[in-house]
Amino acid sequence: IAGITQAPTSQILAAGRRMTLRCTQDMRHNAMYWYRQDLGLGLRLIHYSNTAGTTGKGEVPDGYSVSRANTDDFPLTLASAVPSQTSVYFCASSDRGRIETQYFGPGTRLLVL
Amino acid sequence: AQKITQTQPGMFVQEKEAVTLDCTYDTSDQSYGLFWYKQPSSGEMIFLIYQGSYDEQNATEGRYSLNFQKARKSANLVISASQLGDSAMYFCAMRRRGGGTSYGKLTFGQGTILTVHP
Repeated sequence: IAGITQAPTSQILAAGRRMTLRCTQDMRHNAMYWYRQDLGLGLRLIHYSNTAGTTGKGEVPDGYSVSRANTDDFPLTLASAVPSQTSVYFCASSDRGRIETQYFGPGTRLLVL
Repeated sequence: AQKITQTQPGMFVQEKEAVTLDCTYDTSDQSYGLFWYKQPSSGEMIFLIYQGSYDEQNATEGRYSLNFQKARKSANLVISASQLGDSAMYFCAMRRRGGGTSYGKLTFGQGTILTVHP
């Protein structure tokens, strides 16, 4: 593993089903983030975690939950998917420092029908 | 609250010419960071360049430079000598610096699609 990996790459999901998007980083970054990308809206923050054991809500957290049991993993769960959650989901991580550049995973394309 | 505005939905440039992608921001913070990311058609987000609000000089990274005008709250990306591989979506983003619950989180603009013509 190098950088950030996300799984699955893409998924078609029936409305009402539960789904967990996985994210793993091997850079030992403290902070991790989940964004969704929608046409015309750019990327919007769903949830974040500044360090293992802590999480926080972003701009659009409703319908999503996260956990951060360790430094490397930051799964995003849709408890009961709805069509408006159709989007491309990006996981990102950043180190602590002057710049704190965020590095992104390849994304997960999710279609909720 | 922080806001990023990219007013150019699409831009066209001839290969080997320079192009400027506009980005304006709104924030009440004194300390912040500005980023540009590139998203090619393959979908990944690629970090290009960073500018800190207290940096005295404009950032440069190879063919990318950031025209930072703090008083006007603008952070335009300049790509010199455009290449066909520069065709992509470009996002401007802002992050608050310092402590607090907003630490590290990025606010993105809507993006600009750049097309480089041969």
